[in-house]
Amino acid sequence: EVQLVQSGAEVKKTGESLKISCKGSGYSFTSYWIGWVRQMPGKGLEWMGIIYPGDSDTRYNPSFRGQVTISADKSINTAYLQWSSLKALDTAIYYCARQFPGSGDYVSNAFDVWGQGTLVTVSS
Amino acid sequence: DIQMTQAPSSLSASVGDRVTITCRASQIINSYLNWYQQKPGMAPKLLIYAASNLQSGVPSRFTGSGSDTDFTLTITFLQPEDFASYYCQQTYNTPYTFGQGTKLEIK
Repeated sequence: EVQLVQSGAEVKKTGESLKISCKGSGYSFTSYWIGWVRQMPGKGLEWMGIIYPGDSDTRYNPSFRGQVTISADKSINTAYLQWSSLKALDTAIYYCARQFPGSGDYVSNAFDVWGQGTLVTVSS
Repeated sequence: DIQMTQAPSSLSASVGDRVTITCRASQIINSYLNWYQQKPGMAPKLLIYAASNLQSGVPSRFTGSGSDTDFTLTITFLQPEDFASYYCQQTYNTPYTFGQGTKLEIK
């Protein structure tokens, strides 16, 4: 079974650092881009960026560049999202997801497999 | 960035109804358009990719259409499990932006 399993909920204080994880299984982890999506409380989905674990090529949403770091360790099939200094506005659910290249003649780049989400709560 | 605008933001319908959600891109994106369903407390689920292709395991009452800048998601014969939020997403250019979402509620 193809799945992504994320690390558990975190409660942190403003200014603290954090690294959450997303472990893939059931497929070739190095052959698919992995993305991160933010969902703030009661709000919609925001595409943060993607990483190709095979060579760590990374693309960021300019809105998130410099605010977070996306990385991956292909030896343990795990992608990461990290913050060096959390803010209250970072409070959200963060999802990782596998990017699906498409099928046949149809190019997709949609997210076809999602992690269960990691709730990050930041308070002062 | 490409802006994605969904309409309506919310929608009330009854079981058995047919509903349509629209998504408009701020520039031409060919058919690089995907649709997701999200239920409360759950991760999103891919329904449609490349504008009109049904993801494996998704019921055929979901159909997607459109190209260039205007797209639609149609759900025929609504079932109780279809009441959820729906998001479009363009994957033409990074950042792969989402629409703001459409909440489908029971009338």
